[in-house]
Amino acid sequence: KNEVEQSPQNLTAQEGEFITINCSYSVGISALHWLQQHPGGGIVSLFMLSSGKKKHGRLIATINIQEKHSSLHITASHPRDSAVYICAVKNFGNEKLTFGTGTRLTIIP
Amino acid sequence: DAGVIQSPRHEVTEMGQEVTLRCKPISGHDYLFWYRQTMMRGLELLIYFNNNVPIDDSGMPEDRFSAKMPNASFSTLKIQPSEPRDSAVYFCASSFSRNTIYFGEGSWLTVV
Repeated sequence: KNEVEQSPQNLTAQEGEFITINCSYSVGISALHWLQQHPGGGIVSLFMLSSGKKKHGRLIATINIQEKHSSLHITASHPRDSAVYICAVKNFGNEKLTFGTGTRLTIIP
Repeated sequence: DAGVIQSPRHEVTEMGQEVTLRCKPISGHDYLFWYRQTMMRGLELLIYFNNNVPIDDSGMPEDRFSAKMPNASFSTLKIQPSEPRDSAVYFCASSFSRNTIYFGEGSWLTVV
């Protein structure tokens, strides 16, 4: 069973700050997802990656397969980025996702 | 495309009643997932289908839960009889060929 840990659990920052959320897992994976969930809302997949780095707008996701670690970065953070960010990993051989407990991000104007 | 469509969005039911949650995946997607989210346990996979065939139902809590996918555009998750501990948000999601996964807005279930 893959253990997925995220840090920090909660993060409050000022608008404009650079944000980093971390995810580590215990067993080798085929892919890792970063998901965003707004309060009371649905879940949106931000990135799916299996190696290297991906960028979309102000969001950047990186993964280090050898170290079993991924980071999600937000540049020039904005109050609308306030949400829960969830890391989820997919093991080899099946489509099951194992989820981290999420990081609650609050950006203060 | 309208995205993954779930119904009902909210349901309040009495303990012992049957609950049916419905999902329409994105057209052309070959994978469909049912997840449950609670404060205590976070997000958990209940079951997933590939080309309408159940592949892994190891996350289904017990016999009270059942899921079907009679065709590529429709799936149901049924709880019978429902219990207060089933109160949660149930998400349906779909993907094409193991790529990006798309979630529905969720069905918020309260069993009293």
